[in-house]
Amino acid sequence: AQRVTQPEKLLSVFKGAPVELKCNYSYSGSPELFWYVQYSRQRLQLLLRHISRESIKGFTADLNKGETSFHLKKPFAQEEDSAMYYCALSGGSGTYKYIFGTGTRLKVLA
Amino acid sequence: NAGVMQNPRHLVRRRGQEARLRCSPMKGHSHVYWYRQLPEEGLKFMVYLQKENIIDESGMPKERFSAEFPKEGPSILRIQQVVRGDSAAYFCASSRDSATNEKLFFGSGTQLSVL
Repeated sequence: AQRVTQPEKLLSVFKGAPVELKCNYSYSGSPELFWYVQYSRQRLQLLLRHISRESIKGFTADLNKGETSFHLKKPFAQEEDSAMYYCALSGGSGTYKYIFGTGTRLKVLA
Repeated sequence: NAGVMQNPRHLVRRRGQEARLRCSPMKGHSHVYWYRQLPEEGLKFMVYLQKENIIDESGMPKERFSAEFPKEGPSILRIQQVVRGDSAAYFCASSRDSATNEKLFFGSGTQLSVL
């Protein structure tokens, strides 16, 4: 079955501490993986995608096919990183049926 | 560009009533996607529409739910005879082309509460 699992509903870290938001997936083909973020009172927006291999706002995510994971990491959390983060996958080229995880709320404490 | 606009933000209906959710895609976007987020769950794909066409409605419940994207005006997600289980956040997204490698732009969602 196709599934995205985000095991943590809430993650609290102190400002300056490293952050890792976990995401595991189950998919039989070659998916594309994404991280979406929703800041307070704002819309869901794309943070990064694995095919771009980029760092956005200091966040990176590496696709580990062996562990079927796509964890989101940042070495030093900032207060403005506090938001809801969703991991998502799509079935690769030609599909729009994104499958989302249940989300992790990140709280960065001063 | 105001982005994807959804209204209303909150909609309260009694069981048996009809709910109409509207979505205006971003300017220049002709592809619209509806997602539903039930409590404690992730967003789930419902339907994909282009202007005047339903491309894929495989995620939509077979009964009571319908969607349209007319030539003029917003996309409408319609739920007839709502039940408590329909209470959820409904998100609309749009893209310029089919979301092969296009990112989706999301609206703020409509929170439907069925009493």
